[in-house]
Amino acid sequence: DADVTQTPRNRITKTGKRIMLECSQTKGHDRMYWYRQDPGLGLRLIYYSFDVKDINKGEISDGYSVSRQAQAKFSLSLESAIPNQTALYFCATSRGGDTDTQYFGPGTRLTVL
Amino acid sequence: QKEVEQNSGPLSVPEGAIASLNCTYSDRGSQSFFWYRQYSGKSPELIMFIYSNGDKEDGRFTAQLNKASQYVSLLIRDSQPSDSATYLCAVVNTGNQFYFGTGTSLTVIP
Repeated sequence: DADVTQTPRNRITKTGKRIMLECSQTKGHDRMYWYRQDPGLGLRLIYYSFDVKDINKGEISDGYSVSRQAQAKFSLSLESAIPNQTALYFCATSRGGDTDTQYFGPGTRLTVL
Repeated sequence: QKEVEQNSGPLSVPEGAIASLNCTYSDRGSQSFFWYRQYSGKSPELIMFIYSNGDKEDGRFTAQLNKASQYVSLLIRDSQPSDSATYLCAVVNTGNQFYFGTGTSLTVIP
């Protein structure tokens, strides 16, 4: 079984709809991250969490919110989706510490019409 | 100025050749450096990390770090068609934040 899972894997929605993307991990890592990836722009950090009570904005948090329900679960919400939020979304986890390394989920392809 | 910069490519090399991928970073105090490989439509997967100046070898891959020049590179020896992918450089800066470059697209021609 995959260590980092994301649901759904693909989603098509309409402008103005509320969308939730979910991420679960079995790696036992404290740190979790949400990124979006757009062609030519690389991976951009949306939000990150270093533990259950810690939530931090990343580079592009406007229009997004997150919830860290447990150590293993980190959800990303789009309260009112807009077309320029069409992208590939990745969840990642890391242990932290001096040798911190991020491990990625399979991604969610979101299309907002 | 971007935290991490990479040449987007595309970089094409013949099978069996050495592919050289480069990355520069802006935060002189950065301590951790990573190379990820990403196939089209898939998630990034870690190839290797490097923390100390010099070279680090893992199989056909060698990472090179020069902190004075704020430069990190990845060499792929005996390139194979299966190495065709986008390679992402990532840096952890002094604020303990991960930053990814936009990636370099590599094509290995059989």
